[in-house]
Amino acid sequence: DAGVIQSPRHEVTEMGQEVTLRCKPISGHDYLFWYRQTMMRGLELLIYFNNNVPIDDSGMPEDRFSAKMPNASFSTLKIQPSEPRDSAVYFCASSSPVTGNTGELFFGEGSRLTVL
Amino acid sequence: GQQVMQIPQYQHVQEGEDFTTYCNSSTTLSNIQWYKQRPGGHPVFLIQLVKSGEVKKQKRLTFQFGEAKKNSSLHITATQTTDVGTYFCAGRGSGGSNYKLTFGKGTLLTVNP
Repeated sequence: DAGVIQSPRHEVTEMGQEVTLRCKPISGHDYLFWYRQTMMRGLELLIYFNNNVPIDDSGMPEDRFSAKMPNASFSTLKIQPSEPRDSAVYFCASSSPVTGNTGELFFGEGSRLTVL
Repeated sequence: GQQVMQIPQYQHVQEGEDFTTYCNSSTTLSNIQWYKQRPGGHPVFLIQLVKSGEVKKQKRLTFQFGEAKKNSSLHITATQTTDVGTYFCAGRGSGGSNYKLTFGKGTLLTVNP
């Protein structure tokens, strides 16, 4: 398997512009996570899905952020309008628990976002 | 909400010295995982601990899960330059159908050859 695939790898945009980050999880994984990583705050969970349904979006910073998972093989994280404080590396990860509450996370390479 | 604290934030060692990072959760965990992130890379899974008091070893790495399932540690014996990176613990809460994994802020390990 190719692993978790994210795009774009790098994005530089201006404040106020819309940003869309994309993720293709590992085939067969039924959990998908979006994390944001910054030096100050570390790895923050933004939202996670189970079988394409959002389960916990309590980490989504504000209404400017939205995430969708229209099918089992694709998810998007959208920021509209973007602000300089959104600059970070955004990771997508997928998982498939084998039994009970277990399952390692497989991370994508990340999307590095810079908002000027 | 659940919080996972990790110390130290940074650790610089000479090659051959030992290294330990500690993780503490504000709530009891169902399991804890450890990840390593190389500079410029993405987190990669190392191991999962599930049982109270569990100890697991991977070559020079020793992982422990506390008796109360609220703390954990990672110890590296005789560090090598290939050990450089940030080590994260990540805890999953106990009870219910919670699958959320909360990460500590990580410990950045640098090794002087």
